[in-house]
Amino acid sequence: QVQLVQSGAEVKKPGSSVRVSCKASGDFFSTYTINWVRQAPGQGLEWMGRIIPTLDIANYAQKFQDRLRITADKSTNTAYMELTSLRSEDTAVYYCARKQTFDIWGQGTMVTVSS
Amino acid sequence: QSVLTQTPSTSGTPGQRVTISCSGNSSNIGNNTVNWYQQLPGTAPKLLIYRNNQRPSGVPDRFSGSKSGASASLAINGLQSDDEADYYCAAWDDSLNGPRFGTGTKVTVL
Repeated sequence: QVQLVQSGAEVKKPGSSVRVSCKASGDFFSTYTINWVRQAPGQGLEWMGRIIPTLDIANYAQKFQDRLRITADKSTNTAYMELTSLRSEDTAVYYCARKQTFDIWGQGTMVTVSS
Repeated sequence: QSVLTQTPSTSGTPGQRVTISCSGNSSNIGNNTVNWYQQLPGTAPKLLIYRNNQRPSGVPDRFSGSKSGASASLAINGLQSDDEADYYCAAWDDSLNGPRFGTGTKVTVL
């Protein structure tokens, strides 16, 4: 069964960085885009950026351009999302999702930013 | 800033039909296809409709999507208690150079 499994919850201090992983099962990893989407508590969904593992090309929403880095390790079928200079407003559940249709989602990773 | 606007909430009784609208503009819905997602409480979103009106395998045909101009709609026929969830539309946005999600609609089954 094709699925995306994300790393566990994180608690971070303001100004620090967080790295969330998204491991894909099956042999589709390199073929499809992996997106990152976040959802603040009680809020809607917000697209952050994406990567095409086979091309190792990432693009980002302008809002996150300066502090977001998305990478992929084809040898382990894992994508990574690193967000730097964290602030309280970055407290959210972070999801990875496959393809432009977001047809498969990870289970989500809660990131809490608090002093 | 381009926004995909949805009615914040709607409700219905079991068996009824409810529709959810999603309003955009020429940079998103007007020029690109629409997907719909269902998010049950405390879970990740699930793809419900893609390319305006296509259902992934396993999605009941009670769910249907349509698009006209810069707006799209999701209809739920034969509403069930399990349908109580948040629903989001999404479309590629040329100004964002990425996908944009709607503001979300909470469906309550009375």
